[in-house]
Amino acid sequence: QVTLRESGPALVKPTQTLTLTCSFSGFSLSTSRTYVSWIRQPPGKALEWLARIDWDDSKYYSTSLNTRLTISKDTSKNQVVLTMTNMDPVDTATYYCARHYYDSGLYYNYFGPWGQGILVTVSS
Amino acid sequence: EVVLTQSPATLSLSPGERATLSCRASQTVSSYLGWYQQKPGQAPRLLIYDASNRATGIPARFSGSGSGTDFTLTISSLEPEDFAVYFCQHRANWPLTFGGGTKVEIK
Repeated sequence: QVTLRESGPALVKPTQTLTLTCSFSGFSLSTSRTYVSWIRQPPGKALEWLARIDWDDSKYYSTSLNTRLTISKDTSKNQVVLTMTNMDPVDTATYYCARHYYDSGLYYNYFGPWGQGILVTVSS
Repeated sequence: EVVLTQSPATLSLSPGERATLSCRASQTVSSYLGWYQQKPGQAPRLLIYDASNRATGIPARFSGSGSGTDFTLTISSLEPEDFAVYFCQHRANWPLTFGGGTKVEIK
């Protein structure tokens, strides 16, 4: 069974750096063509894809946020870490990690399963 | 980047009725479009991938169609548990983007 869980601070101050950890089980990020992404959702609003990391350490970032984001992995710990610098109140959102959808031997750039999400509030 | 526009914003229907949700892309995404369902306080769940393929475990009342720039999610007969928000998402190129969502509410 594949499970993911996000952890990190619930509250950060403006200008601080946010560090979130995605801990997962049921799959390995050392397996070929396995991908994990971060997605966020401001309260009551739409979803926004942030970043993806691949089994071979390839990385992809949101165009609008790429200067603020860093994604990394620790394969031995089954973890993916996202850092976002210079946090602002508009970054208040639930942050999700998700493994990419797998079917019939292929991974797709869709998401599932997802973690439960972590609400991060940016406020002084 | 591809902008996905969903309509309507809210759909008010009764259980047993048919729901038709639309997602329009600002440029062609071929058939590389998926649909998610999200209930309050929960993470989204993938329903449909690549326009018309049901994800694992998704009931047959959910179906998807379309290609190019116009896509439709159809729920043939609404069950009480189907009242939720639905999002579309493309995978045609980077960055991956989502639509703004359609809320299906009980009339």
